[in-house]
Amino acid sequence: KNQVEQSPQSLIILEGKNCTLQCNYTVSPFSNLRWYKQDTGRGPVSLTIMTFSENTKSNGRYTATLDADTKQSSLHITASQLSDSASYICVVSLGGATNKLIFGTGTLLAVQP
Amino acid sequence: SQTIHQWPATLVQPVGSPLSLECTVEGTSNPNLYWYRQAAGRGLQLLFYSVGIGQISSEVPQNLSASRPQDRQFILSSKKLLLSDSGFYLCAWSIGGYGYEQYFGPGTRLTVT
Repeated sequence: KNQVEQSPQSLIILEGKNCTLQCNYTVSPFSNLRWYKQDTGRGPVSLTIMTFSENTKSNGRYTATLDADTKQSSLHITASQLSDSASYICVVSLGGATNKLIFGTGTLLAVQP
Repeated sequence: SQTIHQWPATLVQPVGSPLSLECTVEGTSNPNLYWYRQAAGRGLQLLFYSVGIGQISSEVPQNLSASRPQDRQFILSSKKLLLSDSGFYLCAWSIGGYGYEQYFGPGTRLTVT
């Protein structure tokens, strides 16, 4: 069964600190992996997208890594800001004919002053 | 630039009542369009997708239906709502198939009472 699991479910950190969110997937075939940020009550916004051959990609203070061998990805947030408070969703795109998106349930991050 | 709109933003409907949610995209032609539902504590679930006017594919059996009367208009409907239809409904578009980047609308919060 194609699944995307994220940990932790929720996380509280102080403003200015770094944090790392984890994503494990059992998806085959694999096309690409994406990280989205979703503010409460809003639609998700793409942060990064990585293909099989990419093992790291940055977008400002967000850095995503991908290990296609172990089927793990992480999202590292540097020098967190209050505006980083949101749900972060890991999404894997199936390759092949269907090319569906498989969504994780997200990690809810709260950044406190 | 491209913009995606959804309305209404929030909706409270009694069980058994009909439903119509609308999504429109501006600034692009012939987009792929998607309807997702996000239930509390669960990942986004693809409900319908469309690659062109009048072309609708359903991902899961349910009492919902979708239509695409115009190139950039996507409508989600139900004749009789169930309590289990409550959730956050998101419309998305992409320039190509599933593997391409998807851009999400602001969402509609539906509560069935």
